[in-house]
Amino acid sequence: GQQVMQIPQYQHVQEGEDFTTYCNSSTTLSNIQWYKQRPGGHPVFLIQLVKSGEVKKQKRLTFQFGEAKKNSSLHITATQTTDVGTYFCAGRLTAGGTSYGKLTFGQGTILTVHP
Amino acid sequence: DTEVTQTPKHLVMGMTNKKSLKCEQHMGHRAMYWYKQKAKKPPELMFVYSYEKLSINESVPSRFSPECPNSSLLNLHLHALQPEDSALYLCASSRYRADTQYFGPGTRLTVL
Repeated sequence: GQQVMQIPQYQHVQEGEDFTTYCNSSTTLSNIQWYKQRPGGHPVFLIQLVKSGEVKKQKRLTFQFGEAKKNSSLHITATQTTDVGTYFCAGRLTAGGTSYGKLTFGQGTILTVHP
Repeated sequence: DTEVTQTPKHLVMGMTNKKSLKCEQHMGHRAMYWYKQKAKKPPELMFVYSYEKLSINESVPSRFSPECPNSSLLNLHLHALQPEDSALYLCASSRYRADTQYFGPGTRLTVL
């Protein structure tokens, strides 16, 4: 079945350092979503990437979708303590069928920011 | 407004109890989802409803029984659960099956 691998599993940074998490799919994706889950919270939608090679920015966050639509990354510039949490990518298959619309989540990257 | 509400926030139940989780959205979304999430793990899809019909059942044990009474409501009926079923149960909704999913705050379930 479809798999989405996400690395690293954990990342500890000092406040002000940059952070990147990477996702790689075994199959071509229709689109990829990114979510942030604060400790004790629920996944909060950040962004959706649809086009090959797409790059989107949200303040200090930069999201990229690979040319082959099989990989994606989230980069945070100058981390702050408010960035703490788990970042999940979630890919959606191109094909239809019974799994139409289903999201496959990566394992998540747990980000800790030391002040 | 991208709000999905879930009740209760916390639930403790014994293995012989019957309880229900409730999820509600008023965004006009026609797809609704139940996920199970264990600590430090990603959400794991359980069920998908599309236009109030069950579209996906990810081989979930029959002790979990979903119900979609109308387009705004989604229930998850629980019966004879096991301690390993303790987890955060998340509801999500989207305009349609292939669209962005928005999650509710979840119900933290403990089975004793």
